[in-house]
Formats: sequence, C-alpha cells, structure tokens
Amino acid sequence: DAGVIQSPRHEVTEMGQEVTLRCKPISGHDYLFWYRQTMMRGLELLIYFNNNVPIDDSGMPEDRFSAKMPNASFSTLKIQPSEPRDSAVYFCASSLPSGSGNYEQYFGPGTRLTVT
Amino acid sequence: AQKITQTQPGMFVQEKEAVTLDCTYDTSDQSYGLFWYKQPSSGEMIFLIYQGSYDEQNATEGRYSLNFQKARKSANLVISASQLGDSAMYFCAMREPRISGYSTLTFGKGTMLLVSP
Repeated sequence: DAGVIQSPRHEVTEMGQEVTLRCKPISGHDYLFWYRQTMMRGLELLIYFNNNVPIDDSGMPEDRFSAKMPNASFSTLKIQPSEPRDSAVYFCASSLPSGSGNYEQYFGPGTRLTVT
Repeated sequence: AQKITQTQPGMFVQEKEAVTLDCTYDTSDQSYGLFWYKQPSSGEMIFLIYQGSYDEQNATEGRYSLNFQKARKSANLVISASQLGDSAMYFCAMREPRISGYSTLTFGKGTMLLVSP
C-alpha cells in the first residue's frame, strides 16, 4: 500500500494567491482528516470527512479555508486568499471505518506551505 | 483547558537507557483511547502505540510500552533500550467520541527526545 499521498510536498506562494493542497487517502479508509501544524499552536484538526461527507469543520480557521472530497480517493484543502500566517505544515490523515475497532490515523508526509 | 498535557518540552537520554515520556489527559468520557506518535526531523507522523480505555493490559509494541494509569489519567510512553534513531518529537493524543458519533484525535504539544551516544 502506498500510504496517504499528499501533494505538493512544498509550496511557496505570495500573499493573496490561491493555494490548493491535495490528498489521496489509503484505499478502504472512509475517514479523512486535515490537520495544520505550527510551532505556536501545535497540531490542530481543521476538518474531517466520513464517506466523502464533511462531518465537522469547526477547526477551519476562516472562510478563506475550504475543503472538498469529491470522491473516496481524493480531497483538497484550498486557501483563498492566502496570508503569511497560513504558513504551516498541513497533514492529511485517513483511518478505517469506526466499526473496525482500529482507530489509528495514518498520516501523509505533509505539505509545507510558506506564504510570503 | 488542555485535554492532553505533555509537561516535558525536552528530554535527554543516553543510548541503551530507558526513558519515560509523560502524558496526562482530561476527559469525562468512559470510552476513549490514547495514542503516541513519533515525528522525526523529516516531518512524517509515525504511529507507535495505542491504548483503549477498556484495555486492562498495558499496550506494548516492541521497545515501546504504554504505562496506563486510568485513575491518574496518565498514559506515559516508555522506550526501552533507546537508540540514536529514537531522537524525535513525540506526541500523545487522545481519541474521544464526538456528538456526531465519530471519534477525533486531540494532540498534546509534544516532547522532543534527544538520544546521545
């Protein structure tokens, strides 16, 4: 299994530009999570999906952030317009159905975003 | 209030020694779980070990064991026989069911472990 795949691995953009981060979860996992990691705030859950449906987006910081999951194998996190304070590492993670009894979240390698 | 507290910002240990990384948690749920993840300098998050609140035995995975003390609400990670490759940031996380019925993870701030030769 290829694991959770994220692209790009690094993104440098100018303030005001639109940024799109991409994630492919592990096949068979029906939960998908987006996290943001910063030195100040640590690892924060932004939003999560179950069977492609957004369940809880209360962690999304502002309306500039949006996430979609058009199908079971693809999700995007979009920031429009981007700001320097959005600079962080963004992780995508996926996990098995809750009935499996396995609650481990499998993380992707992360996207390091720098907004100048 | 913090749900996961890791009081040790940094820990130092010599190779081949054992080390304990502290984690305390706060929850009113009866069903929950505790995780430990490792994040090396390369940045990926690596799952180490999991303990469910109803598990009577402490979880073990190779050199990793979880010292689970439910009454004290602590879930300390013990690494036996430390190796240089254990140098990394370690995160404790708690799984809690949400109103929606699903579980999410809340992470602590992490402990940086440095293993010296």
